[in-house]
Amino acid sequence: ETGVTQSPTHLIKTRGQQVTLRCSSQSGHNTVSWYQQALGQGPQFIFQYYREEENGRGNFPPRFSGLQFPNYSSELNVNALELDDSALYLCASSLGTGGYTFGSGTRLTVV
Amino acid sequence: GESVGLHLPTLSVQEGDNSIINCAYSNSASDYFIWYKQESGKGPQFIIDIRSNMDKRQGQRVTVLLNKTVKHLSLQIAATQPGDSAVYFCAESYNTDKLIFGTGTRLQVFP
Repeated sequence: ETGVTQSPTHLIKTRGQQVTLRCSSQSGHNTVSWYQQALGQGPQFIFQYYREEENGRGNFPPRFSGLQFPNYSSELNVNALELDDSALYLCASSLGTGGYTFGSGTRLTVV
Repeated sequence: GESVGLHLPTLSVQEGDNSIINCAYSNSASDYFIWYKQESGKGPQFIIDIRSNMDKRQGQRVTVLLNKTVKHLSLQIAATQPGDSAVYFCAESYNTDKLIFGTGTRLQVFP
């Protein structure tokens, strides 16, 4: 059984650029959530996908968008990057009954 | 790797002692609670969970206590080991919705 894998592990982007982060959910998990973790903070919920549909969204602007694919993998897209978007982006998968498993995250640095 | 939780509350314990990490949660309707351990450069790792119809749950060397009256959660680690050093987060959820994380506590174990 594989866990949650995220790519890339590290990324440096310039302000105003766009970025796509990827996540492969744990085998058998149909729900994927994305979180943003700023340095020294707890993770903050961005949004959740269930069966390819957005199923809940946190307090993030529309330039944060996502996709879930038929194999339950997911992408997080961020447009018009700002310096404050620098953070660790975490993907978590679950069966929708709790038991969230997190990946190791993508460290995004915006310069 | 990056340091998680640069300015978090810190609990320092001697190896072999018991540790107690506390957390106040925000939503009285939350029905599912999880403790996560996060080491530097890694994603949160599941430790133990508890549902709101219970007030205590035990795992291997860990116990979670839930006091719904005062919205308080605690994690007890028995015989703390150097490998337990990390940042610990509590998270709450309602109806398998998004996780809301607490601010985290850094646990330091010294010989």
